[in-house]
Amino acid sequence: GENVEQHPSTLSVQEGDSAVIKCTYSDSASNYFPWYKQELGKRPQLIIDIRSNVGEKKDQRIAVTLNKTAKHFSLHITETQPEDSAVYFCAALKAAGNKLTFGGGTRVLVKP
Amino acid sequence: DAGVIQSPRHEVTEMGQEVTLRCKPISGHDYLFWYRQTMMRGLELLIYFNNNVPIDDSGMPEDRFSAKMPNASFSTLKIQPSEPRDSAVYFCASSSWTVGIAEAFFGQGTRLTVV
Repeated sequence: GENVEQHPSTLSVQEGDSAVIKCTYSDSASNYFPWYKQELGKRPQLIIDIRSNVGEKKDQRIAVTLNKTAKHFSLHITETQPEDSAVYFCAALKAAGNKLTFGGGTRVLVKP
Repeated sequence: DAGVIQSPRHEVTEMGQEVTLRCKPISGHDYLFWYRQTMMRGLELLIYFNNNVPIDDSGMPEDRFSAKMPNASFSTLKIQPSEPRDSAVYFCASSSWTVGIAEAFFGQGTRLTVV
């Protein structure tokens, strides 16, 4: 089955700096890659996603890149703010079966 | 739609007792997932259903765990007997595969503590 590895497990950045989280996946048939943000004590919520026919996608201060050949994708947060502090999960999904496999999560702390 | 609704929000039970967690997915969604979240193991997929049929239960840790989806608007996850190592937050999520997009909407979770 699919295996998603996520790094780093924790990330501390100064407010205003950038944060980058990287994920690799094992199943080349995976074609949809969402990112979820989970604030303390709350549910995971989708913040951005990318499909396999796209190499990069941006939404304000967040962007995702995908390298299908290398089977890795990344989340970039620019101009970080304290409210960006949360746990971020990457995930991979195959169209057939719709089984979403999550990475281990990255705890991001933005220091004011 | 009120989103995915889980109950109870918190459950404290004694070891050996039966625990039943409940989930109401978003109307119209045809996929339902049960996840378990712990600090050590992150978000683990336990089982998921498509059109009320269990598709993959390979993540169910032991025979003590069982899940049902009797209709499109209700699912249960049962643990019998419960053990302290089952303490975790259990999330239910639902989604609908539409034109290559499958956003999973999570419920608020049930925090289970087995003492």
